[in-house]
Amino acid sequence: SQQGEEDPQALSIQEGENATMNCSYKTSINNLQWYRQNSGRGLVHLILIRSNEREKHSGRLRVTLDTSKKSSSLLITASRAADTASYFCATYTGGFKTIFGAGTRLFVKA
Amino acid sequence: DTEVTQTPKHLVMGMTNKKSLKCEQHMGHRAMYWYKQKAKKPPELMFVYSYEKLSINESVPSRFSPECPNSSLLNLHLHALQPEDSALYLCASSHTAGTSGATYNEQFFGPGTRLTVL
Repeated sequence: SQQGEEDPQALSIQEGENATMNCSYKTSINNLQWYRQNSGRGLVHLILIRSNEREKHSGRLRVTLDTSKKSSSLLITASRAADTASYFCATYTGGFKTIFGAGTRLFVKA
Repeated sequence: DTEVTQTPKHLVMGMTNKKSLKCEQHMGHRAMYWYKQKAKKPPELMFVYSYEKLSINESVPSRFSPECPNSSLLNLHLHALQPEDSALYLCASSHTAGTSGATYNEQFFGPGTRLTVL
Protein backbone atom coordinates (compact mmCIF):
# COMPACT_ATOMS: atom_id res chain seq x y z
CA SER A 1 0.00 0.00 0.00
CA GLN A 2 1.14 3.52 -0.65
CA GLN A 3 1.76 5.67 2.41
CA GLY A 4 3.06 8.86 0.82
CA GLU A 5 1.41 10.92 -1.85
CA GLU A 6 3.54 13.47 -3.62
CA ASP A 7 2.74 16.73 -5.23
CA PRO A 8 3.33 17.77 -7.92
CA GLN A 9 3.65 14.63 -10.02
CA ALA A 10 5.96 16.50 -12.39
CA LEU A 11 7.84 19.78 -12.20
CA SER A 12 9.79 21.62 -14.89
CA ILE A 13 11.99 24.59 -13.94
CA GLN A 14 14.93 26.58 -15.23
CA GLU A 15 18.43 26.08 -13.90
CA GLY A 16 19.04 28.34 -10.91
CA GLU A 17 15.43 28.28 -9.75
CA ASN A 18 14.25 26.56 -6.59
CA ALA A 19 12.21 23.36 -6.69
CA THR A 20 9.70 22.41 -4.02
CA MET A 21 8.11 19.00 -3.70
CA ASN A 22 5.50 18.01 -1.16
CA CYS A 23 4.65 14.70 0.43
CA SER A 24 1.64 13.72 2.50
CA TYR A 25 1.23 10.52 4.45
CA LYS A 26 -1.46 8.78 6.40
CA THR A 27 -0.14 7.18 9.60
CA SER A 28 2.27 8.08 12.39
CA ILE A 29 5.90 7.69 11.42
CA ASN A 30 9.31 7.24 13.02
CA ASN A 31 11.03 9.14 10.27
CA LEU A 32 10.61 10.35 6.73
CA GLN A 33 13.26 10.05 4.08
CA TRP A 34 13.78 11.51 0.64
CA TYR A 35 15.40 9.57 -2.17
CA ARG A 36 16.46 10.53 -5.68
CA GLN A 37 16.33 8.22 -8.68
CA ASN A 38 17.97 9.01 -11.97
CA SER A 39 16.24 7.48 -14.96
CA GLY A 40 16.06 3.70 -14.65
CA ARG A 41 18.70 3.53 -11.94
CA GLY A 42 18.82 2.73 -8.25
CA LEU A 43 17.65 5.12 -5.58
CA VAL A 44 20.02 7.37 -3.66
CA HIS A 45 19.24 8.40 -0.11
CA LEU A 46 19.22 12.19 0.23
CA ILE A 47 18.10 13.11 3.71
CA LEU A 48 16.26 11.72 6.71
CA ILE A 49 14.14 13.68 9.16
CA ARG A 50 12.95 12.15 12.40
CA SER A 51 9.41 12.58 13.68
CA ASN A 52 10.57 14.92 16.45
CA GLU A 53 12.40 17.21 14.02
CA ARG A 54 10.79 20.03 12.09
CA GLU A 55 13.48 21.08 9.64
CA LYS A 56 16.72 19.72 8.33
CA HIS A 57 19.32 20.97 5.87
CA SER A 58 21.90 19.20 3.75
CA GLY A 59 23.79 21.29 1.22
CA ARG A 60 21.18 22.70 -1.21
CA LEU A 61 18.44 20.55 0.31
CA ARG A 62 15.99 21.68 2.93
CA VAL A 63 13.38 19.33 4.33
CA THR A 64 10.51 20.24 6.59
CA LEU A 65 8.18 17.95 8.49
CA ASP A 66 4.79 18.80 9.94
CA THR A 67 3.54 15.78 11.84
CA SER A 68 0.27 17.50 12.74
CA LYS A 69 -0.54 17.79 9.04
CA LYS A 70 1.24 14.56 8.16
CA SER A 71 3.20 16.32 5.47
CA SER A 72 6.77 17.05 4.42
CA SER A 73 8.40 19.21 1.80
CA LEU A 74 11.72 19.02 0.00
CA LEU A 75 13.25 22.23 -1.28
CA ILE A 76 16.16 22.14 -3.70
CA THR A 77 17.74 25.57 -4.00
CA ALA A 78 19.63 26.89 -7.02
CA SER A 79 18.75 23.84 -9.09
CA ARG A 80 21.10 22.40 -11.68
CA ALA A 81 20.51 20.30 -14.76
CA ALA A 82 22.07 17.38 -12.84
CA ASP A 83 19.17 17.56 -10.36
CA THR A 84 16.88 16.20 -13.08
CA ALA A 85 15.52 12.98 -11.56
CA SER A 86 12.55 11.48 -9.78
CA TYR A 87 12.27 12.26 -6.09
CA PHE A 88 10.48 9.97 -3.67
CA CYS A 89 9.48 10.49 -0.08
CA ALA A 90 9.53 7.36 2.02
CA THR A 91 7.97 6.87 5.41
CA TYR A 92 9.32 4.54 8.04
CA THR A 93 7.00 3.39 10.79
CA GLY A 94 9.29 0.84 12.44
CA GLY A 95 9.59 -2.84 11.78
CA PHE A 96 10.92 -3.64 8.37
CA LYS A 97 8.98 -1.45 6.01
CA THR A 98 9.75 1.77 4.26
CA ILE A 99 6.83 2.84 2.11
CA PHE A 100 7.55 5.02 -0.91
CA GLY A 101 5.33 7.77 -2.23
CA ALA A 102 4.36 8.07 -5.86
CA GLY A 103 7.25 10.42 -6.62
CA THR A 104 7.80 13.77 -8.28
CA ARG A 105 9.57 13.91 -11.62
CA LEU A 106 11.78 17.00 -11.73
CA PHE A 107 13.15 18.35 -14.97
CA VAL A 108 15.68 21.17 -14.77
CA LYS A 109 16.29 22.98 -18.04
CA ALA A 110 19.77 24.30 -18.71
CA ASP B 1 32.80 0.09 0.34
CA THR B 2 29.34 1.70 0.26
CA GLU B 3 28.15 -0.01 -2.86
CA VAL B 4 25.40 -2.50 -3.51
CA THR B 5 26.01 -4.44 -6.69
CA GLN B 6 23.43 -6.29 -8.76
CA THR B 7 23.85 -8.72 -11.62
CA PRO B 8 22.86 -8.94 -14.35
CA LYS B 9 22.04 -5.37 -15.40
CA HIS B 10 19.58 -6.59 -18.00
CA LEU B 11 17.80 -9.92 -18.35
CA VAL B 12 15.44 -11.17 -21.02
CA MET B 13 13.74 -14.46 -20.34
CA GLY B 14 10.91 -16.57 -21.65
CA MET B 15 8.01 -17.66 -19.51
CA THR B 16 9.41 -21.18 -19.17
CA ASN B 17 12.93 -20.15 -18.18
CA LYS B 18 14.57 -20.27 -14.78
CA LYS B 19 16.93 -17.47 -13.94
CA SER B 20 18.38 -15.78 -10.87
CA LEU B 21 19.12 -12.21 -9.89
CA LYS B 22 22.05 -11.57 -7.59
CA CYS B 23 22.79 -8.81 -5.10
CA GLU B 24 25.88 -8.24 -2.99
CA GLN B 25 26.94 -5.73 -0.33
CA HIS B 26 29.99 -5.47 1.90
CA MET B 27 28.84 -2.75 4.27
CA GLY B 28 28.10 -5.15 7.10
CA HIS B 29 24.37 -4.56 6.75
CA ARG B 30 22.20 -7.26 8.26
CA ALA B 31 18.99 -6.37 6.45
CA MET B 32 18.51 -6.85 2.72
CA TYR B 33 15.53 -6.09 0.54
CA TRP B 34 14.05 -6.86 -2.85
CA TYR B 35 11.84 -4.27 -4.52
CA LYS B 36 9.95 -4.32 -7.80
CA GLN B 37 9.51 -1.09 -9.72
CA LYS B 38 7.34 -0.57 -12.76
CA ALA B 39 7.89 2.40 -15.04
CA LYS B 40 6.94 5.75 -13.49
CA LYS B 41 5.90 4.05 -10.26
CA PRO B 42 7.52 3.90 -6.82
CA PRO B 43 9.42 0.82 -5.66
CA GLU B 44 7.20 -1.84 -4.13
CA LEU B 45 8.61 -3.98 -1.37
CA MET B 46 8.73 -7.71 -2.13
CA PHE B 47 10.92 -9.34 0.51
CA VAL B 48 13.01 -8.41 3.54
CA TYR B 49 15.74 -10.54 5.06
CA SER B 50 17.00 -9.82 8.53
CA TYR B 51 20.06 -11.71 9.75
CA GLU B 52 19.71 -14.06 6.80
CA LYS B 53 16.14 -14.99 7.73
CA LEU B 54 13.09 -14.05 5.72
CA SER B 55 11.21 -11.45 7.73
CA ILE B 56 8.72 -10.08 5.24
CA ASN B 57 7.07 -11.56 2.19
CA GLU B 58 4.62 -9.06 0.76
CA SER B 59 2.34 -11.73 -0.67
CA VAL B 60 4.65 -12.21 -3.62
CA PRO B 61 3.74 -15.03 -6.04
CA SER B 62 5.72 -18.23 -5.57
CA ARG B 63 7.31 -17.86 -9.00
CA PHE B 64 9.64 -15.45 -7.16
CA SER B 65 11.82 -17.28 -4.66
CA PRO B 66 14.30 -15.32 -2.52
CA GLU B 67 17.40 -16.72 -0.94
CA CYS B 68 19.97 -15.23 1.43
CA PRO B 69 23.00 -17.56 1.48
CA ASN B 70 24.98 -15.28 3.81
CA SER B 71 24.95 -11.78 5.22
CA SER B 72 26.46 -10.27 2.06
CA LEU B 73 24.46 -12.01 -0.64
CA LEU B 74 20.85 -11.97 -1.71
CA ASN B 75 19.39 -13.90 -4.61
CA LEU B 76 16.02 -13.84 -6.31
CA HIS B 77 15.19 -17.01 -8.22
CA LEU B 78 12.73 -16.62 -11.06
CA HIS B 79 10.64 -19.37 -12.61
CA ALA B 80 7.63 -19.40 -14.91
CA LEU B 81 7.30 -15.65 -14.91
CA GLN B 82 4.59 -13.72 -16.71
CA PRO B 83 5.05 -10.74 -19.06
CA GLU B 84 3.55 -8.48 -16.38
CA ASP B 85 6.54 -9.33 -14.18
CA SER B 86 8.72 -7.24 -16.49
CA ALA B 87 10.12 -4.45 -14.32
CA LEU B 88 13.21 -3.03 -12.66
CA TYR B 89 14.19 -5.20 -9.70
CA LEU B 90 16.05 -3.33 -7.01
CA CYS B 91 18.07 -4.71 -4.16
CA ALA B 92 18.78 -2.66 -1.06
CA SER B 93 20.48 -3.10 2.28
CA SER B 94 20.41 -1.29 5.60
CA HIS B 95 22.15 -1.36 8.94
CA THR B 96 19.19 -2.84 10.67
CA ALA B 97 15.87 -4.35 9.86
CA GLY B 98 14.35 -1.90 12.25
CA THR B 99 13.10 -3.78 15.22
CA SER B 100 12.70 -0.71 17.39
CA GLY B 101 11.60 2.87 16.98
CA ALA B 102 15.14 4.13 17.42
CA THR B 103 16.38 2.69 14.16
CA TYR B 104 16.62 4.75 11.02
CA ASN B 105 16.40 2.24 8.22
CA GLU B 106 18.27 4.33 5.67
CA GLN B 107 18.60 2.03 2.70
CA PHE B 108 21.38 1.73 0.15
CA PHE B 109 20.18 0.65 -3.27
CA GLY B 110 21.85 -1.20 -6.07
CA PRO B 111 21.45 -0.06 -9.69
CA GLY B 112 18.81 -2.67 -10.39
CA THR B 113 18.22 -5.44 -12.91
CA ARG B 114 15.98 -4.57 -15.85
CA LEU B 115 13.92 -7.71 -16.44
CA THR B 116 11.92 -8.37 -19.58
CA VAL B 117 9.70 -11.45 -19.74
CA LEU B 118 8.67 -12.49 -23.22
